[in-house]
Amino acid sequence: KNQVEQSPQSLIILEGKNCTLQCNYTVSPFSNLRWYKQDTGRGPVSLTIMTFSENTKSNGRYTATLDADTKQSSLHITASQLSDSASYICVVSAGQAGTALIFGKGTTLSVSS
Amino acid sequence: KAGVTQTPRYLIKTRGQQVTLSCSPISGHRSVSWYQQTPGQGLQFLFEYFSETQRNKGNFPGRFSGRQFSNSRSEMNVSTLELGDSALYLCASSLEAGKGLYEQYFGPGTRLTVT
Repeated sequence: KNQVEQSPQSLIILEGKNCTLQCNYTVSPFSNLRWYKQDTGRGPVSLTIMTFSENTKSNGRYTATLDADTKQSSLHITASQLSDSASYICVVSAGQAGTALIFGKGTTLSVSS
Repeated sequence: KAGVTQTPRYLIKTRGQQVTLSCSPISGHRSVSWYQQTPGQGLQFLFEYFSETQRNKGNFPGRFSGRQFSNSRSEMNVSTLELGDSALYLCASSLEAGKGLYEQYFGPGTRLTVT
């Protein structure tokens, strides 16, 4: 069964600290993996998209990694800011055309001052 | 370029009623996807439309339906509403169908409450 599991479910960190969010998936055939950021009351916004052949992709202070062998991905946030408080959702596309999307339930990050 | 717009933003309905939600994609985008988001289940894919044709469908009952117009605007309809249909309904648009590497842009969502 295609599944995407995210951990931790929630996280609280101090402003300026780094953190890493995890995503494990059992999806086949794998097409690509995306990380989204969703602020409260708003739609998700894409942070990164990675294919099978990519193992690192950065977007400012956000760096995603992908290990296709172990089927794990992580999202590292550097020097966190209050505006990073949001839900982070890992999404894996399955199938050759990537038409099937399997969503994780997200990690809720709270950054406090 | 204007983003994805969804109307209405908030809606309160009674069990048994039906509801229609609207989504206007980014200009030039031909694919529109709909999602349901609840605290317990997270985001779940409802269906995708491309050039007025439904291309993919998630695992939802037939009470959930949608359509796309020639200008790429899309509507989704939920009939015989149930309490469990209370959720945030998100619309996303992309240039082409099939997720592939085409970026999806989400709207702000419609918050539906069923009482």
